[in-house]
Amino acid sequence: DSGVTQTPKHLITATGQRVTLRCSPRSGDLSVYWYQQSLDQGLQFLIQYYNGEERAKGNILERFSAQQFPDLHSELNLSSLELGDSALYFCASSRGAGNEQFFGPGTRLTVL
Amino acid sequence: QKEVEQDPGPLSVPEGAIVSLNCTYSNSAFQYFMWYRQYSRKGPELLMYTYSSGNKEDGRFTAQVDKSSKYISLFIRDSQPSDSATYLCAMSALPRGGSNYKLTFGKGTLLTVNP
Repeated sequence: DSGVTQTPKHLITATGQRVTLRCSPRSGDLSVYWYQQSLDQGLQFLIQYYNGEERAKGNILERFSAQQFPDLHSELNLSSLELGDSALYFCASSRGAGNEQFFGPGTRLTVL
Repeated sequence: QKEVEQDPGPLSVPEGAIVSLNCTYSNSAFQYFMWYRQYSRKGPELLMYTYSSGNKEDGRFTAQVDKSSKYISLFIRDSQPSDSATYLCAMSALPRGGSNYKLTFGKGTLLTVNP
C-alpha cells in the first residue's frame, strides 16, 4: 500500500458525459501528479500540482482539467467524454521537490 | 524516435533465473532513473531509484545506469513466481525551477517467472 488513495475504483459512463476522479496523496506529500495509462500509449503524464499550484502540463486534453485543494487532495475532471478516453487514470504523489513518486491504485474509466 | 524505448517482451524465465530488463533513451537531459513494478490492474510500485550514472543494489534487485550509452538496466537475481509482473522504466530531467519532475515511462516489459 503506497498510501495514495484514489476513488472511485471503477467508472462506467457514456460518451459526452463528465466525470470527476479524486486523489488523496500520502500524508505530508505536497506534489500530486496525474497519469493516463492505455494499452497503446502506455503511461502518459497529464498534469502536476504542487501545494495547490499547477506546476507542469503534459499530454492533457483541453477537455480535461484538474485542481489541488487546500487539504492537498486533487481532482481530475474529464468532460465531453469520448470512447478513446477509456483508460486507467493514476495519481501519484511525492514530498516537495523529491523525485520518488508513489502511485495510487488507479481509477479504471470505461466510456461506452 | 520515442524518448524512452523498452522491449515489451513478453519474457518468460524459470524460477531462480537471473532476469535482465533494459531501457534506452534519447534525451540526454534525463538525470533520474527509476524502475516500477506493476501487477495486473494495480498501480505502479517504485522498486529502484537512482540519480545519474552508476549501480544501486537492493536485495535481489540491481539497477544500473550508463549515461554515456543512454542505457539503463534492472537485474533480478533468484527470480520468484511473485516477481511476475510488468516492469516499467521511468526517467526525468532536472527541473528548471519549481518542482516539476514529470516522469517519462517506457511501455513496460511483461515478465513471467515459471515455478
